[in-house]
Amino acid sequence: DVKVTQSSRYLVKRTGEKVFLECVQDMDHENMFWYRQDPGLGLRLIYFSYDVKMKEKGDIPEGYSVSREKKERFSLILESASTNQTSMYLCASSLEAGAGDSPLHFGNGTRLTVT
Amino acid sequence: GQQVMQIPQYQHVQEGEDFTTYCNSSTTLSNIQWYKQRPGGHPVFLIQLVKSGEVKKQKRLTFQFGEAKKNSSLHITATQTTDVGTYFCAGNNYGQNFVFGPGTRLSVLP
Repeated sequence: DVKVTQSSRYLVKRTGEKVFLECVQDMDHENMFWYRQDPGLGLRLIYFSYDVKMKEKGDIPEGYSVSREKKERFSLILESASTNQTSMYLCASSLEAGAGDSPLHFGNGTRLTVT
Repeated sequence: GQQVMQIPQYQHVQEGEDFTTYCNSSTTLSNIQWYKQRPGGHPVFLIQLVKSGEVKKQKRLTFQFGEAKKNSSLHITATQTTDVGTYFCAGNNYGQNFVFGPGTRLSVLP
């Protein structure tokens, strides 16, 4: 069974801090994604990657960056955390190259609070 | 850009009643996926629909894809407390990434 592991379940950071959210998948999936989930807004795509060292902006990339140095690991970076980045962050992976039509496998999420 | 809407936002039903959530896209979709997120959990893939007018069933769950491939529905027959959660549709616009709807939160009263 696919396992997507996010390093932290809960995180509290101060405004202006640099924040790293880590995600690892164990099924050799090509695609990895970072979403944020906010009540009433569903899941919004921040960044995605279809291959190592490849990254593409999603719908709401402002204030974020990503890194994919290894196939199994996809990191989300908040360069200077702000209170409006308080949210649930979900990492996901999928098998096929490109957007395709593979199901997304999600991690358990990281609830980030920026104070 | 592509937008995906879902109604209702919330639904409270008595156990044993039926439940339906509707998903509408602003653009024609190549395929649509449905996910369920239990309280405190993460979204879990339920099913994918690809063909115009497609209907798929999973036990008490029936999924439909509209003829124009712009809308979809999920119907649960005789809800149980285990059905509690938020149901999301996610539409794919021919090779683009999936766009998620805001979800319908289902509460089932025993």
